[in-house]
Amino acid sequence: AQSVTQLGSHVSVSEGALVLLRCNYSSSVPPYLFWYVQYPNQGLQLLLKYTSAATLVKGINGFEAEFKKSETSFHLTKPSAHMSDAAEYFCAVTGGNAGNMLTFGGGTRLMVKP
Amino acid sequence: DTAVSQTPKYLVTQMGNDKSIKCEQNLGHDTMYWYKQDSKKFLKIMFSYNNKELIINETVPNRFSPKSPDKAHLNLHINSLELGDSAVYFCASSQPWADTEAFFGQGTRLTVV
Repeated sequence: AQSVTQLGSHVSVSEGALVLLRCNYSSSVPPYLFWYVQYPNQGLQLLLKYTSAATLVKGINGFEAEFKKSETSFHLTKPSAHMSDAAEYFCAVTGGNAGNMLTFGGGTRLMVKP
Repeated sequence: DTAVSQTPKYLVTQMGNDKSIKCEQNLGHDTMYWYKQDSKKFLKIMFSYNNKELIINETVPNRFSPKSPDKAHLNLHINSLELGDSAVYFCASSQPWADTEAFFGQGTRLTVV
């Protein structure tokens, strides 16, 4: 079975600082990995995805993530946080027995201080 | 145009009632899903429906039943509502391949009192 662990349920950064949200996965097959963002009272929106092409994936709003097979990680980064980045971020995996169903991590709430 | 729309957005009901949540997608996707988000924001798949094939998460009580009149619609019917059913329910759709993006609706916040 696949699983996703997001270290840190809450992350707080100052505006302009580096954002690093951690995601580790467990999968018996090569995974497809996703980062979704959820703004308050909204649905989820895709930030970026890894589908076995380039290991460094660029997404929307200046976010990027690097797939590291040796570390089973897919951490999300952004060089400079903006107030509008404050939201809940979810890492997710598909593939294998789960097919196209998403298995989510527990989420990380990003807070951005002025 | 809203890609995945679900109604109602808010639903407050008493224990023991039966309720339905409707979902429609205009993306031409073959697969639709229902996810449940609990009070701690944890998201879990409930159902996947693809070309009349239903895949059920084994942890979902049989009081929950998805109904798909056609490829663009997947409704969720809940019988005998319990307090623990209070959550946000998200409908989503995608193509049936594991590497494709899922598009989510805005969610339905169900409160059982």
